[in-house]
Amino acid sequence: NAGVMQNPRHLVRRRGQEARLRCSPMKGHSHVYWYRQLPEEGLKFMVYLQKENIIDESGMPKERFSAEFPKEGPSILRIQQVVRGDSAAYFCASSPNGRGLGANVLTFGAGSRLTVL
Amino acid sequence: AQRVTQPEKLLSVFKGAPVELKCNYSYSGSPELFWYVQYSRQRLQLLLRHISRESIKGFTADLNKGETSFHLKKPFAQEEDSAMYYCSVRGTSGSRLTFGEGTQLTVNP
Repeated sequence: NAGVMQNPRHLVRRRGQEARLRCSPMKGHSHVYWYRQLPEEGLKFMVYLQKENIIDESGMPKERFSAEFPKEGPSILRIQQVVRGDSAAYFCASSPNGRGLGANVLTFGAGSRLTVL
Repeated sequence: AQRVTQPEKLLSVFKGAPVELKCNYSYSGSPELFWYVQYSRQRLQLLLRHISRESIKGFTADLNKGETSFHLKKPFAQEEDSAMYYCSVRGTSGSRLTFGEGTQLTVNP
């Protein structure tokens, strides 16, 4: 089991470009979470999804950011018209079905580091 | 709203000394508390959870509902314990996991 896979590991974009970050959950996991870590700060919740459904997006900025987790394929965090302040590490995590004890334990990916020039 | 506070960003102790990483939370209801750890160049991973009531790598954490705390303790710190530690809280199943700001623990030889 390869665990949670995130790509790219490093992404450089110029201001105004789009950034797409991908996350493949662990096998058997149906829930995906995205967190952002700004320099010198902790992990900030962004969005929580299950396949084809956004469960909680209360941490997502209102503009330019979107996330999806389609029926087939990885979850994608999309940032349009990036600005320097978007430079951060973006972590994805997955968990089994959202109910039961195991559901509350997250398995994290290695993160994607976005640098906006 | 659920919230986690880790008052110490940095904590430094000597090898063999006791260590306590503080964590306070706010949540109305019956939350589940966790400690996650990130060693250098490794992924964030679960260290322990309050419902398991277990000791992992010598660490323990007791949930104190009266003080809304979930401090992480180890009686004798080791150099390999140096890492970033995050306390986190989650409410009912299906809700998000909220992290504190993290505490960077350094254990000096």
